[in-house]
This record gives sequence, structure tokens and C-alpha cells, in this order.
Amino acid sequence: EVQLVESGGVLVQPGGSLRLSCAGSGFSFTDYAMHWVRQAPGKGLEWVSGINWKSDIIVYADSVKGRFTISRDNAKNSLYLQMSSLRAEDTAFYYCAKDTANYFYYMDVWGKGTTVTVSS
Amino acid sequence: QLVLTQSPSASASLGASVKLTCTLSSGHSNYAIAWHQKQPEQGPRYLMKLNSDGSLFKGDGIPDRFSGSSSGAERYLTISNLQSEDEADYYCQTWGTGILFGGGTKLTVL
Repeated sequence: EVQLVESGGVLVQPGGSLRLSCAGSGFSFTDYAMHWVRQAPGKGLEWVSGINWKSDIIVYADSVKGRFTISRDNAKNSLYLQMSSLRAEDTAFYYCAKDTANYFYYMDVWGKGTTVTVSS
Repeated sequence: QLVLTQSPSASASLGASVKLTCTLSSGHSNYAIAWHQKQPEQGPRYLMKLNSDGSLFKGDGIPDRFSGSSSGAERYLTISNLQSEDEADYYCQTWGTGILFGGGTKLTVL
């Protein structure tokens, strides 16, 4: 079964840092680009960042550029999101998603998400 | 600028059909999109990829009640024989430099 499982979401203070993880299984992790997508309370889906299979193409949404860093470890079938200088507006469910190719096209597998709350 | 526009809400009766629309911005009418379903308390679910010529590629296990079509810059998701579990938010998504989502349509099943 193809599966993505996120972890690492917690309550963190404004200005703090956090690292999210996503473990993939049931597919050849190395072959696909991966993404982080978030949904803030009462809002729609917002793409956060994507990384291609070789980690040589990385793109961020303007809202997180300079504060978040996406990375992957293909040997561990894992995707990461290092989040720093966190703001209240970063409060959201964060979803890991698998692309259908080794670059950015569309997602065909989603995780259940992990929740990040930024509050003092 | 690439933008996806969706109506904020739609409603239809149990057992009826509903057609949701996603409109691509000017100059981007040849773009393919994907449709995703987001139910409360669940992760999103990929429904289908929809090309400009109307050809589509559905995700595993997506019922035949879900179909898609295209006309110009419009991309449609049609759900027939509506079930209560179809009540959800539906997002269209495309790709350019990165990934772009529409604002989503909240579907209410009456």
C-alpha cells in the first residue's frame, strides 16, 4: 500500500523552529518529486514547497521563502521541512504529498497531515 | 499570471448530479489540472488529472460517479448520484514554476 505518514507537528512559540518529517512507503521514493502543502484553519490548500528526486530543483512559496527549508533522504524514504522564524500565520495542518513524476506536476498520494500551532 | 478560479460553494441534492468549475486565467487555456477532494478531518485525496482535450486519468479507487471534462479555459468535475460522503471541499491544482491551487469549492449535499 502506498502511504505517506507525517510527524513532528507541535505547539511552538512565535519565532521558534520546528522540523516536520514524512515517511514514504509502498513506492519507489527516489523516483518522484515530493511536496509540502498546508491548510490553515478555515482556509484553502496552500502549496508550501516542492523538491525533485535529486534535490537539485527546490521551489518555495513566497510566504515561506527564506524561513523554511525542504530536504529529502532517499535512502530513508523520507521528506523533511525545517521551519524557522515561525509566525502565527504558519499555524496549519501540514501535508506531505507525492508527485506523479520526478518534477512538479500534480500529486496523487497524500498523507493524513500533522498539525503545527504557532502561539505564545 | 497563472490563476485558478473556483466558485466558493455549490450544493445539490442527494442522488442528483453537480458540476464544479475551475477556470484557468487568460493565456493558460491549454493547461492540464488535477482535482483533489478534501473531507473534514482527513488528508486530501487525488481524484483525477484532466487535460485540455478532456482526456483524464483517475486515481485508484475513484468511483465512476466522478468524471471530468474541459471546454476552453474551463475544467469541470462532475459528480453524479451524489452521496452524503461527497460533501467536501474540492480543489483544482495545476503547475508552472511551482504548484498552484484554486481557492476550492465547498460542496454541500442536501
